[in-house]
Amino acid sequence: DIVMTQSPDSLAVSLGERATINCKPSQSVLNSSNNKNHLAWYQQKPGQPPKLVIHWASTRESGVPDRFSGSWSGTDFTLTISSLQAEDVAVYYCQQYYSSPLTFGGGTKVEIK
Amino acid sequence: EVQLVESGGGLVQPGGSLKLSCTASGFTFSGSAMHWVRQASGKGLEWIGRIKNKPNSYATAYAASVEGRFTISRDDSKNTAYLQMKSLKTEDTAVYYCTRHYYDSSGYPIPDYWGQGTLVTVSS
Repeated sequence: DIVMTQSPDSLAVSLGERATINCKPSQSVLNSSNNKNHLAWYQQKPGQPPKLVIHWASTRESGVPDRFSGSWSGTDFTLTISSLQAEDVAVYYCQQYYSSPLTFGGGTKVEIK
Repeated sequence: EVQLVESGGGLVQPGGSLKLSCTASGFTFSGSAMHWVRQASGKGLEWIGRIKNKPNSYATAYAASVEGRFTISRDDSKNTAYLQMKSLKTEDTAVYYCTRHYYDSSGYPIPDYWGQGTLVTVSS
C-alpha cells in the first residue's frame, strides 16, 4: 500500500499570508502511460464532505480560486494557498489514486493566526 | 448538476448487517467508477473500496480492513451504487461517503464529486 505522509498536522497563518501543506507518498504515483501524477487535494470544512481542489497534482478544479495551487518536486507534493482567506479555514487531505487501495494523508488543519 | 445521495445508514448491533445506497443524478452514471470512503468522528478519511464501470468489467477492490465483510455493487439502470456491510464491528462506526471517479478522454479516472454522507453507528 502507498502510505501518504502529510505535514504539518496543523498550521496557523495570518490572513493574506501563504499556507503550504506537504504530502509525500511512500512510492511513485506517476503513471508513465499518461505522464501524470495521480494525486489529489481535498478541502473539508466542518460538517461538510470533502471538496476536490486539485487533481493530477496541479490541475485546479473549476471554480476553485487561483490562490490554490498544487506542485511537486520529485515525489514531494505541495498544496499552496498563496494568500489565506477566512473561508479557507478547513482540513486539507492529499490522496493518491494511482493504485488500490487508494490512500489519504492524515490531514492538515489550517487556521487563522 | 451532479448529485450523489447516500441513504441506508443507522444504528446496528455488532455482528449485524446494513446496506447503503448511493443514488446518482446529473451525469452518465454508467460511465463512472464509484468509490466508498468513510470517516470516523474527528478522524481522517479511509478509502473502503470501489467498483469500476461495465467496460472495465465492474471490477471491485477493497481495503484490507473490510475485505470479506463488505461488498460493493451497482445497478446502472437505477443509477445507484451499493455498499453491503456484514459482520459489522464497533470500529466501523463512521460517516460513509460515496464518490465519483469519472474517466477522462484517455480513459484515466479522475476523482471529483462526493455525496453528503450517511452515518452508520455500530453499537449494542
